[in-house]
Amino acid sequence: ELKVEQNPLFLSMQEGKNYTIYCNYSTTSDRLYWYRQDPGKSLESLFVLLSNGAVKQEGRLMASLDTKARLSTLHITAAVHDLSATYFCAVDRLGNEKLTFGTGTRLTIIP
Amino acid sequence: GAVVSQHPSRVICKSGTSVKIECRSLDFQATTMFWYRQFPKQSLMLMATSNEGSKATYEQGVEKDKFLINHASLTLSTLTVTSAHPEDSSFYICSASEGGYNEQFFGPGTRLTVL
Repeated sequence: ELKVEQNPLFLSMQEGKNYTIYCNYSTTSDRLYWYRQDPGKSLESLFVLLSNGAVKQEGRLMASLDTKARLSTLHITAAVHDLSATYFCAVDRLGNEKLTFGTGTRLTIIP
Repeated sequence: GAVVSQHPSRVICKSGTSVKIECRSLDFQATTMFWYRQFPKQSLMLMATSNEGSKATYEQGVEKDKFLINHASLTLSTLTVTSAHPEDSSFYICSASEGGYNEQFFGPGTRLTVL
């Protein structure tokens, strides 16, 4: 059974600081996704990582994938309040369209 | 592109009644649609996968007679919660893909409250 874990589960950080959210998964996976969810809203797609060593950046967010370590990171640079949200990673496997979601990381940016 | 809508966005119903939630792909043909449930402060849990014209495949622990899924066309899937109870209150999110291992696109969600 594919398991996906994130840490930390909760994160409060000050504006302007840097931090990293980690996503570990238990078995070989083919694609890794990062999503953002605001309270009461659905998911917003942030990144899709397809191969080992993949790195993608959008604004203050950068995601990377290490398939050998079964680890993805979401790095936040110089955090701003607008980044406060819950972030989920999810993985799927070739031949299986189902997504398995991580536990989520609730990020709060403090002024 | 890749827009998925859900209707209604919110619904409140009495215990024992049935509620239907629609999921539509607006600008692509969704061969496969997925239904998720999310309880407060928890992650998304897949309930079932539906392929157009076929019976839905339910995840372990999800009652297929309680959560009826129909995917009769390439742009519409429906989830009917039958004989709803307060414990069915949750945020229901659908997603759609063109199938063949394509990316899923998520709908805006439906918040169901059963009194």
